[in-house]
Amino acid sequence: DTAVSQTPKYLVTQMGNDKSIKCEQNLGHDTMYWYKQDSKKFLKIMFSYNNKELIINETVPNRFSPKSPDKAHLNLHINSLELGDSAVYFCASSQVIDSLINEKLFFGSGTQLSVL
Amino acid sequence: AQKITQTQPGMFVQEKEAVTLDCTYDTSDPSYGLFWYKQPSSGEMIFLIYQGSYDQQNATEGRYSLNFQKARKSANLVISASQLGDSAMYFCAMRESPSGTYKYIFGTGTRLKVLA
Repeated sequence: DTAVSQTPKYLVTQMGNDKSIKCEQNLGHDTMYWYKQDSKKFLKIMFSYNNKELIINETVPNRFSPKSPDKAHLNLHINSLELGDSAVYFCASSQVIDSLINEKLFFGSGTQLSVL
Repeated sequence: AQKITQTQPGMFVQEKEAVTLDCTYDTSDPSYGLFWYKQPSSGEMIFLIYQGSYDQQNATEGRYSLNFQKARKSANLVISASQLGDSAMYFCAMRESPSGTYKYIFGTGTRLKVLA
């Protein structure tokens, strides 16, 4: 059973389109994240939800809208796609109960988004 | 200011030799966690090792060890007896908790190439 699964793995689309990436985790974690990895491999946090509540919202264009219907799911919807949105998007989850305990991030396998 | 700094964009090591990948961090949070992840060319993010800010001993996991120098704010990854399969991108990450949230921040990565 995959712990964090995201779909699709590849997404090729035209500029101006709207697309969604879905993410689900079966680890029982309360916190989920979206990260963007650019062509230089830099991983930047975009959003974080804790128990369906948005807790981290980095400086991301408002064309990006996360949605968490329940704590096991965090989807990412992108409107009016631009060339610069081409990247790998990773979903991740963690359960930090006590900051002294190792609670690593569990990552999905990534979605390669190519905007033409 | 960069919170996580990896100064080595690329490194080479001979098979069976040891290699150290550098990581320095910056935080005013007394309680934080430090992580290393490996990203092979297939793209998935693989957790390697964790060090908590209050841990007295350096973390070890098989061939991986973390050289934690708290006063110098460094958390270098040491890979012993390098194998060809160790060729990958390596990311240092820090979990801190601004305002009660848990945020994982990544460095820019080091690309390691193991030579036969």
